[in-house]
Amino acid sequence: GEDVEQSLFLSVREGDSSVINCTYTDSSSTYLYWYKQEPGAGLQLLTYIFSNMDMKQDQRLTVLLNKKDKHLSLRIADTQTGDSAIYFCAESIIDFGNEKLTFGTGTRLTIIP
Amino acid sequence: EAGVAQSPRYKIIEKRQSVAFWCNPISGHATLYWYQQILGQGPKLLIQFQNNGVVDDSQLPKDRFSAERLKGVDSTLKIQPAKLEDSAVYLCASSLDRQGYYGYTFGSGTRLTVV
Repeated sequence: GEDVEQSLFLSVREGDSSVINCTYTDSSSTYLYWYKQEPGAGLQLLTYIFSNMDMKQDQRLTVLLNKKDKHLSLRIADTQTGDSAIYFCAESIIDFGNEKLTFGTGTRLTIIP
Repeated sequence: EAGVAQSPRYKIIEKRQSVAFWCNPISGHATLYWYQQILGQGPKLLIQFQNNGVVDDSQLPKDRFSAERLKGVDSTLKIQPAKLEDSAVYLCASSLDRQGYYGYTFGSGTRLTVV
């Protein structure tokens, strides 16, 4: 079955690193994504990782994937006030040639000045 | 490039009324999705189009929800009649093809409140 879980809230001091965690259940996931949603806006794709990779780094963002434990994390270095948002992980499964995304419940990141 | 356009941004209706949402995807994107995002939850797929054909509507409550994508470009999602539990943000997204390895591009959504 498909189920993606995230903790609901995370508070981090400005300048520190944020680590947002996600667990998923479907071992056939091909890609795993991180999206960011700011108030009143749609979801913005931040980064993604292919399921045969362990790590991907993109500027301040580092994605770690533990496929054995079905655990995905997003680390944001030097967290800034502009990083305040809800972060969604999503797992992707190709089903009869169609990609299906299942989203987690989202983690609300709050930056403490 | 222009993003995914949705209208209206907000809509308040009484239960049992009808409502329609409109989406214009990114030019050239063959695949279009409608998602429902209830407050405090992640988006859930309602329907997926490939050009003007439906490829997945398994999660669409077909007794009250309908969607179409005429000419494979714009799409409309309709609810008739609306229930209180339909209050949510309705997000439209598009991707180049149905294996969206490049990720989806989402619109800003339509926030529906049913009273």
